[in-house]
Amino acid sequence: EDQVTQSPEALRLQEGESSSLNCSYTVSGLRGLFWYRQDPGKGPEFLFTLYSAGEEKEKERLKATLTKKESFLHITAPKPEDSATYLCAVQAAWGYQKVTFGTGTKLQVIP
Amino acid sequence: SQTIHQWPATLVQPVGSPLSLECTVEGTSNPNLYWYRQAAGRGLQLLFYSIGIDQISSEVPQNLSASRPQDRQFILSSKKLLLSDSGFYLCAWSSGAGPTNTEAFFGQGTRLTVV
Repeated sequence: EDQVTQSPEALRLQEGESSSLNCSYTVSGLRGLFWYRQDPGKGPEFLFTLYSAGEEKEKERLKATLTKKESFLHITAPKPEDSATYLCAVQAAWGYQKVTFGTGTKLQVIP
Repeated sequence: SQTIHQWPATLVQPVGSPLSLECTVEGTSNPNLYWYRQAAGRGLQLLFYSIGIDQISSEVPQNLSASRPQDRQFILSSKKLLLSDSGFYLCAWSSGAGPTNTEAFFGQGTRLTVV
């Protein structure tokens, strides 16, 4: 069974204090790994898709990287508006409709 | 551009009452459509997915059903709600053009409270 584990569950940063969120996964052949941002009471907002180990993608202060067993979401010099829950999900190669989500990392950036 | 509409945003229903949540997608054809439920402290749980009209797959046996009467319309229903049906329900779509474009885009969700 596909599994996604995100750590830490919660992270509190000072504004400007860079850090990384971790997503460890187990899947029988990876078709894609996704990162989403979710604000309270809202639907998840798509950020990135990574397909193969070594791939990196960037968007503003966020950079996502992928290895064969985990993905990292690096946040450089975060701002209070980056506060949200960040979700990781994987899609197996064998059943492309099925995506397994982690429980997320709740990030709080303090001014 | 593509947009997804989901309503209502919040709903309070008594136990035993029926449920109908609706989701529509604009700006794309033949999308894959999904219903998820999100419980506090748990990941998103896939309830149903659909690759075409009247083609529905259920992931979890439960008190809910889904229908897709039109290409871009997805409905989540229940005949009799249970307390355990309370949660945050999310509709999502992904491109039906092929397996390479598989990221899903979500609606704003419906907070359902069964009392």
